[in-house]
Amino acid sequence: EAQVTQNPRYLITVTGKKLTVTCSQNMNHEYMSWYRQDPGLGLRQIYYSMNVEVTDKGDVPEGYKVSRKEKRNFPLILESPSPNQTSLYFCVSSKRTGFGANTGELFFGEGSRLTVL
Amino acid sequence: ILNVEQSPQSLHVQEGDSTNFTCSFPSSNFYALHWYRWETAKSPEALFVMTLNGDEKKKGRISATLNTKEGYSYLYIKGSQPEDSATYLCAPRGGATNKLIFGTGTLLAVQP
Repeated sequence: EAQVTQNPRYLITVTGKKLTVTCSQNMNHEYMSWYRQDPGLGLRQIYYSMNVEVTDKGDVPEGYKVSRKEKRNFPLILESPSPNQTSLYFCVSSKRTGFGANTGELFFGEGSRLTVL
Repeated sequence: ILNVEQSPQSLHVQEGDSTNFTCSFPSSNFYALHWYRWETAKSPEALFVMTLNGDEKKKGRISATLNTKEGYSYLYIKGSQPEDSATYLCAPRGGATNKLIFGTGTLLAVQP
């Protein structure tokens, strides 16, 4: 079954304790990205990756890091979480289409709800 | 940044009613428009990806139209069912950054 898998699904942590949210897709998609969802706001992009070893900042990258060492995995790292990073996080992947373009539909993971105390 | 507006914010209809909602976006430098359905406790799923002015796409009772010249897309649901209850997100791609920007969604509740 084609899917994007995130872990953990739920996490409560404390300020400053490093954490990693893993993301893996089995569709051989080139494009992967992380979004956060906060009440009253649309999904906002944190980081994205067009291919292995190629990553770039989205609209709200502060406080986050990512890596893309393999095509299927795109972990999100919070080096020193703070309460303003309490949010619902989605990992997405997509088949890259066209030169420099990505109009393919996004496939979403199930979401990771993170609370930072 | 691309400014995306969805209206209404929420909508309550009776089973069997037909309904529609709007996604508005700047018409300049348009590339594509995505529609997603997001059911409670699940993750968003793609409904349509539209790229051409005048595009009309249909999936069962749900259809969408696109007007890139005036910068809007309509999503229609014919004969709403309780299982259509969800938040419907639109995400145009274009503008100076050529990125996909999500609207805040229209929350649809269909009462039996």
